[in-house]
Amino acid sequence: GAVVSQHPSWVICKSGTSVKIECRSLDFQATTMFWYRQFPKQSLMLMATSNEGSKATYEQGVEKDKFLINHASLTLSTLTVTSAHPEDSSFYICTYLGLASLETQYFGPGTRLLVL
Amino acid sequence: AQSVSQHNHHVILSEAASLELGCNYSYGGTVNLFWYVQYPGQHLQLLLKYFSGDPLVKGIKGFEAEFIKSKFSFNLRKPSVQWSDTAEYFCAVIANAGNNRKLIWGLGTSLAVNP
Repeated sequence: GAVVSQHPSWVICKSGTSVKIECRSLDFQATTMFWYRQFPKQSLMLMATSNEGSKATYEQGVEKDKFLINHASLTLSTLTVTSAHPEDSSFYICTYLGLASLETQYFGPGTRLLVL
Repeated sequence: AQSVSQHNHHVILSEAASLELGCNYSYGGTVNLFWYVQYPGQHLQLLLKYFSGDPLVKGIKGFEAEFIKSKFSFNLRKPSVQWSDTAEYFCAVIANAGNNRKLIWGLGTSLAVNP
């Protein structure tokens, strides 16, 4: 099956720094990736839809200038948390939805971010 | 707007008890329905899905779910739970409204199975 990888798997950073999270599709071409965040004991919250070669579509309430998404190729999408603050500490997950075949989402393993 | 509600936020059962987790969605058109499980410290895994056909869907690990269109429901069931079923369970729906195809998630149900 399709495999999605994320790097890094966890990161600890100081408040005010920027953190880049990479999401790669390893054996397929992903024109659309989704970025979620998940707080402890809560459901996934869709942050944005990342479209290859075009601007991401952000969900209401998500600051596009704070969470920069770049989908530069069919196998790589990046999420950069700019000027991170402790409240940005969360679990960030990228996924791919097989639009053509109506297959289910393939989840990346997630990146745990802790901002001190 | 489409939404998914899971009625039980926390469920505690003893081993061998039967399980039913409720899931209702709000959308009148064609839907694709999913149940995902997240074991402690692990990422989400698909338990089962419904796209069309037999409304009673069999999934992995002995789970099943029944799609009842008239009730807008997709409840998850297992006749006899095990300690290893302790996890978070999420119901999700894709409402096939044109090009706006994204998963809508329920808030999840935390299941604790006592040995």
